[in-house]
Amino acid sequence: AQSVTQLGSHVSVSEGALVLLRCNYSSSVPPYLFWYVQYPNQGLQLLLKYTSAATLVKGINGFEAEFKKSETSFHLTKPSAHMSDAAEYFCAVRPDYGGATNKLIFGTGTLLAVQP
Amino acid sequence: KAGVTQTPRYLIKTRGQQVTLSCSPISGHRSVSWYQQTPGQGLQFLFEYFSETQRNKGNFPGRFSGRQFSNSRSEMNVSTLELGDSALYLCASSLAGVGDEQFFGPGTRLTVL
Repeated sequence: AQSVTQLGSHVSVSEGALVLLRCNYSSSVPPYLFWYVQYPNQGLQLLLKYTSAATLVKGINGFEAEFKKSETSFHLTKPSAHMSDAAEYFCAVRPDYGGATNKLIFGTGTLLAVQP
Repeated sequence: KAGVTQTPRYLIKTRGQQVTLSCSPISGHRSVSWYQQTPGQGLQFLFEYFSETQRNKGNFPGRFSGRQFSNSRSEMNVSTLELGDSALYLCASSLAGVGDEQFFGPGTRLTVL
């Protein structure tokens, strides 16, 4: 079964520092991969998605992620953290590649704290 | 364009009761998915509807059910509530195609006492 693993349930960075949130996937076929952000008491917002086009995907709010098949990774990065980036981030995979579904399997989430 | 709306936002029920949650997708969206979010199990897929038909179902007991109406609005029902059903229930809508971006609502926070 396809799955994603997020390393680090809590990550703390200083304002202005690099943000790196890790996600590894398990898939026997090229997956659809996503990063979502969740602010307190809100739903999920899509940051970016990989759909087998370019391996470097740019998203909203200055975030980007690189798909590395050899490492089965899809890590999320942002060059300079802002206080408003403090939130929980979820990596997700759409498991039924080629099938008629939008079902997503989510990782366990990484809570990002940004210190002033 | 209005986003995905979910009602009610907060709900308190007691064990054994049943509950119905509602989701109104973005206008023009025909696919609606439901997810349960808990601290212990994280985000788990419940079911997905497209054109009033269940397109996929997660691994939840039969107490969890859903439906979609002709206007794409969706409801989910949980019967015989258990304490473990306390969670944030999220609804997401997308246009129709597989791989289309899913837009999430703010969720319904259900507390079972």
